[in-house]
Amino acid sequence: NAGVTQTPKFQVLKTGQSMTLQCAQDMNHNSMYWYRQDPGMGLRLIYYSASEGTTDKGEVPNGYNVSRLNKREFSLRLESAAPSQTSVYFCASSEISGGFQETQYFGPGTRLLVL
Amino acid sequence: QQQVKQSPQSLIVQKGGISIINCAYENTAFDYFPWYQQFPGKGPALLIAIRPDVSEKKEGRFTISFNKSAKQFSLHIMDSQPGDSATYFCAASKPGGGADGLTFGKGTHLIIQP
Repeated sequence: NAGVTQTPKFQVLKTGQSMTLQCAQDMNHNSMYWYRQDPGMGLRLIYYSASEGTTDKGEVPNGYNVSRLNKREFSLRLESAAPSQTSVYFCASSEISGGFQETQYFGPGTRLLVL
Repeated sequence: QQQVKQSPQSLIVQKGGISIINCAYENTAFDYFPWYQQFPGKGPALLIAIRPDVSEKKEGRFTISFNKSAKQFSLHIMDSQPGDSATYFCAASKPGGGADGLTFGKGTHLIIQP
């Protein structure tokens, strides 16, 4: 039981390049999230997916796109990377049970540097 | 608008002492208040959580105190150990979670000195 996995672990991009961050979970959760973590800013939600085929914008969605490929996988795409997108990206998954938010489980993160 | 304010930003405590981290929230619709612990190079992991129907929850050396009228909650770490050195985040979410996800505080970097 791997929980939440993310690839790659680390990536260096040049301004304007594109890339996709991959996330997969094996806990059969319906809800999946992408957060970014910046020093002194905590974690901020980029996008959320309640189920396969549905996505919603979070607090900081500009410059990103997402795809909920199936129940297990939720990818984050940077179409044209900018230095402001240098950050650590975390994927998370959870279940909503009886209308209540349950524990969010986080992956190990992807460290992205945009030059 | 920062919906969850966390203090202090950093905290140094002697081994065996009590570590206290405070959070205040603004949105009375929040109904779930977890604390996450994060070690360097790792993702956050749930430490302990509380819902507003109780004023305190204790798990081992970790206790959440919750004051609904003041819209504040705090994490107390008793008998703090060097292995507790990490960054701690408080968070809050509304019923059903959803696109609001978890609203996180900005984190507290805790160092326990041996």
